[in-house]
Amino acid sequence: AQSVTQLGSHVSVSEGALVLLRCNYSSSVPPYLFWYVQYPNQGLQLLLKYTTGATLVKGINGFEAEFKKSETSFHLTKPSAHMSDAAEYFCAVSDQAGTALIFGKGTTLSVSS
Amino acid sequence: KAGVTQTPRYLIKTRGQQVTLSCSPISGHRSVSWYQQTPGQGLQFLFEYFSETQRNKGNFPGRFSGRQFSNSRSEMNVSTLELGDSALYLCASSAYSSYNEQFFGPGTRLTVL
Repeated sequence: AQSVTQLGSHVSVSEGALVLLRCNYSSSVPPYLFWYVQYPNQGLQLLLKYTTGATLVKGINGFEAEFKKSETSFHLTKPSAHMSDAAEYFCAVSDQAGTALIFGKGTTLSVSS
Repeated sequence: KAGVTQTPRYLIKTRGQQVTLSCSPISGHRSVSWYQQTPGQGLQFLFEYFSETQRNKGNFPGRFSGRQFSNSRSEMNVSTLELGDSALYLCASSAYSSYNEQFFGPGTRLTVL
């Protein structure tokens, strides 16, 4: 069965610092992986996704993630944090049938000036 | 292109009542999924509909049900509400499956008193 583990429920960084949000997955089939962001009182917005092909995936707002099959990881990074990046981030894997997303518990990112 | 819309945005009910939530997907999208988001359990998949047929169902009791209409609009119903049903209910639409990008609506915040 598919599952997702996000390490660290809360990450704090200074503005301009590197952002690293960790995600490990378990999947019995080649995974389709996603990172979503949620701002307060809003729905989820897709940052990026990995399906097949290039393992380094670039997304919106300067975020990127690297799929590492050997480590079953899909960590999200951004070279320089901005105050507007403060939000909750969710890693997700598509289920085996491809008709549902299985989410991690989420990581709240705080950015201080 | 208009995004996913959900109505109502906020709802207050009492235990034992039933509630119906509505979701209008992005035009042309045929897959609609529902998720429940709570602080304790995080984001959990409820069910997914495609062309008026339920293709997948999460691990929720039978009090939770849904349907999809020929225009792809979807409704979910919760009968005999319990305090634990208080949550943000998110609807997501995609062109075909979760392998494609899922676009999320803003959610309906349900409070059960």
